[in-house]
Amino acid sequence: QQQVKQSPQSLIVQKGGISIINCAYENTAFDYFPWYQQFPGKGPALLIAIRPDVSEKKEGRFTISFNKSAKQFSLHIMDSQPGDSATYFCAASTKAAGNKLTFGGGTRVLVKP
Amino acid sequence: DGGITQSPKYLFRKEGQNVTLSCEQNLNHDAMYWYRQDPGQGLRLIYYSQIVNDFQKGDIAEGYSVSREKKESFPLTVTSAQKNPTAFYLCATSEKDREQYFGPGTRLTVT
Repeated sequence: QQQVKQSPQSLIVQKGGISIINCAYENTAFDYFPWYQQFPGKGPALLIAIRPDVSEKKEGRFTISFNKSAKQFSLHIMDSQPGDSATYFCAASTKAAGNKLTFGGGTRVLVKP
Repeated sequence: DGGITQSPKYLFRKEGQNVTLSCEQNLNHDAMYWYRQDPGQGLRLIYYSQIVNDFQKGDIAEGYSVSREKKESFPLTVTSAQKNPTAFYLCATSEKDREQYFGPGTRLTVT
């Protein structure tokens, strides 16, 4: 059972455009929602994270939007740059379950110059 | 990657052999995790440990074993019972209730 569903699987955006990646979850006990960025052959790097007591969090060009009632959260990458070309993973965890992360399937983003 | 070391970066083994992947950290984090990543897919949790001398199975523990004798080290053994061991293996660490940070990974190929 896939508890975190991520879409789209891949995304092509022009330089300067906005990349939007969506995730939906099923487990209402999830209380922490991070996003990771992964380059080929490397380990994932934590990008930004949110907890359900806020609806939006922004760090530089990256923004997480969170909709608790819809059980959805999304990553917006503003002014996308070629260096943002990577695979992005959403994840979710619950403190009660030892903070084990459940990952979405990933979105491969390609930013064209 | 910070203070998380995984070695080696690439590992090749023959089918039927056990192999141990190393994960060492100098971040003084309590919790350590092992994930498996297959091409084009997300990460799946194999085992995790929140404290020395204690560990729990994740979602895909069959065919794997771990130990946590020291806070700094959490080695993963891929046994011959693991039916499809070829994958990218990632170790992560975290402080209690905080973000997980990943190592650089070990790519294991079994033929």
